[in-house]
Amino acid sequence: SAVISQKPSRDICQRGTSLTIQCQVDSQVTMMFWYRQQPGQSLTLIATANQGSEATYESGFVIDKFPISRPNLTFSTLTVSNMSPEDSSIYLCSVEDYGYTFGSGTRLTVV
Amino acid sequence: GNSVTQMEGPVTLSEEAFLTINCTYTATGYPSLFWYVQYPGEGLQLLLKATKADDKGSNKGFEATYRKETTSFHLEKGSVQVSDSAVYFCALSEGNTDKLIFGTGTRLQVFP
Repeated sequence: SAVISQKPSRDICQRGTSLTIQCQVDSQVTMMFWYRQQPGQSLTLIATANQGSEATYESGFVIDKFPISRPNLTFSTLTVSNMSPEDSSIYLCSVEDYGYTFGSGTRLTVV
Repeated sequence: GNSVTQMEGPVTLSEEAFLTINCTYTATGYPSLFWYVQYPGEGLQLLLKATKADDKGSNKGFEATYRKETTSFHLEKGSVQVSDSAVYFCALSEGNTDKLIFGTGTRLQVFP
């Protein structure tokens, strides 16, 4: 199955700032997915990123808040913009292979 | 829309006890079904999957059978270990979009 390198693994950020999360996959994949896991809760899909096109956002998530780049078939970034404490979560990227592989996650704390 | 419902936790068991975590789903079409496990402080790992009715997924002593007639995918293990303590997520993938929809997760605590 695919191997995903996600970084940073964790960060503590000031409110009002932005953080960019990177995911690198060891093979070419068509779609990459970005999820949010709020404390003690399940995973919610933020958006689906295809190479060469705009990301598709789920209800409740907007591009201005969570801009995504997908410059090639092995890499994607998610930016959490103008952060507030409510953005404190684990953010995970995922790709579809045998059963959807996930990155190790980025634990974000906004203070 | 499509959804996944899991039994609420925590589920607390003694070592070697039998485990069942219930999962039911609502979906149009024929989704694939998954169980993921999240150990404390770690990311999400695929535990097992099934892609069509009556398929049985199995891994590490865990099993789940895709039951279309009852729209269920219950996770079972005959004898749990302390190391099985984790949060377990049931999920389905929508065939037309390939995105995953997760249940709320069930925390399992196994005591010696």
